[in-house]
Amino acid sequence: GDSVTQMEGPVTLSEEAFLTINCTYTATGYPSLFWYVQYPGEGLQLLLKATKADDKGSNKGFEATYRKETTSFHLEKGSVQVSDSAVYFCALSDRRGNNRLAFGKGNQVVVIP
Amino acid sequence: GAVVSQHPSWVICKSGTSVKIECRSLDFQATTMFWYRQFPKQSLMLMATSNEGSKATYEQGVEKDKFLINHASLTLSTLTVTSAHPEDSSFYICSARDPAGAVTGELFFGEGSRLTVL
Repeated sequence: GDSVTQMEGPVTLSEEAFLTINCTYTATGYPSLFWYVQYPGEGLQLLLKATKADDKGSNKGFEATYRKETTSFHLEKGSVQVSDSAVYFCALSDRRGNNRLAFGKGNQVVVIP
Repeated sequence: GAVVSQHPSWVICKSGTSVKIECRSLDFQATTMFWYRQFPKQSLMLMATSNEGSKATYEQGVEKDKFLINHASLTLSTLTVTSAHPEDSSFYICSARDPAGAVTGELFFGEGSRLTVL
């Protein structure tokens, strides 16, 4: 079945550092890809999305490009802030039926001042 | 974007009691809503798909008699944790699909409800 794999472990980095969180997927067909962010004690918010190959989603300085050849959707931000500390989830939707989302395990990002 | 709201945001109850969590789509109609459970420092586990006007579809391993789901209107789904026990303590999150986002498959999530069973 469809699945999403995120890199293992939390990510700790200093303010203004470059952030990359890897995400790869396995899917039949042509899924939509998403990054969701969860701040402490809150639900999930959509950060960005891409619906077809080579699309680049971007929001709040974050970017991710839908790479069909490598089945990847890595999240990047050039200069992180303390306020970016959160858990980031990569997800895909097969767009069939009820549009169920398959989530990666999430990565805790901690930005240190 | 579309707004999904949950209530209550947190609840503490005694073991053996039942707790109801509401999920509302505020500015759109949702024929389908999804209920997730999230354990500390873990990803979201899909519990069930709530279908307006019909029975919910439960994921394997989720007790339907334990987690009652009712989707009585196009803007409201409820999750009732019956005879709650401490192991039911968790963060429960609902989501819904805005028909306008049907093509992309995007879902909108509620704020989550933290249940603590004493």
